[in-house]
Amino acid sequence: AQSVTQPDIHITVSEGASLELRCNYSYGATPYLFWYVQSPGQGLQLLLKYFSGDTLVQGIKGFEAEFKRSQSSFNLRKPSVHWSDAAEYFCAVGRAAGNKLTFGGGTRVLVKP
Amino acid sequence: EPEVTQTPSHQVTQMGQEVILRCVPISNHLYFYWYRQILGQKVEFLVSFYNNEISEKSEIFDDQFSVERPDGSNFTLKIRSTKLEDSAMYFCASSASGELGNQPQHFGDGTRLSIL
Repeated sequence: AQSVTQPDIHITVSEGASLELRCNYSYGATPYLFWYVQSPGQGLQLLLKYFSGDTLVQGIKGFEAEFKRSQSSFNLRKPSVHWSDAAEYFCAVGRAAGNKLTFGGGTRVLVKP
Repeated sequence: EPEVTQTPSHQVTQMGQEVILRCVPISNHLYFYWYRQILGQKVEFLVSFYNNEISEKSEIFDDQFSVERPDGSNFTLKIRSTKLEDSAMYFCASSASGELGNQPQHFGDGTRLSIL
């Protein structure tokens, strides 16, 4: 069965500092991996996705993520955080030929001025 | 940019009552999904729907749940006899394809369901 772990429940970062959110997955084949962001009162917005090719993927809002098969990880990064990045971030994995997403528990990011 | 629209944003219902949550997927999308998130827990898959039938469902999606696409634009989730533990945020999603890599799922803002 597929599963996703986000080890950090909360992260506090200063505005302008770098951010890295961890995601580890368990999956029996090549996974499709996603990061979604949820701002307060909003739905889930897709930040980026990985399914093949270059292991470093670029997304919206200046985010990037790196797929490391040897570590079963798909960590999300941003070099310089803005106050508007305060939100909850979800990593998700899907099957190559199916269409169900399995989500991690989420990481809530707080941005200090 | 096209959006998935969900109504209502908040629904309060007495235990045992039926509730219908409504979604308008993105217009050219063919695959539809419901997920839920109980407060403080993970987002969980409930059901996927394609070509007017369920293509996959989770163990959560028991006989109390049903989905329907009553017309060309709406996609609904019905809970027949609500229980306290059905209180959650329910998300609708749609995609243009079942192949996740090509066409990711787009989510609505959710309906918060509160069972009293």
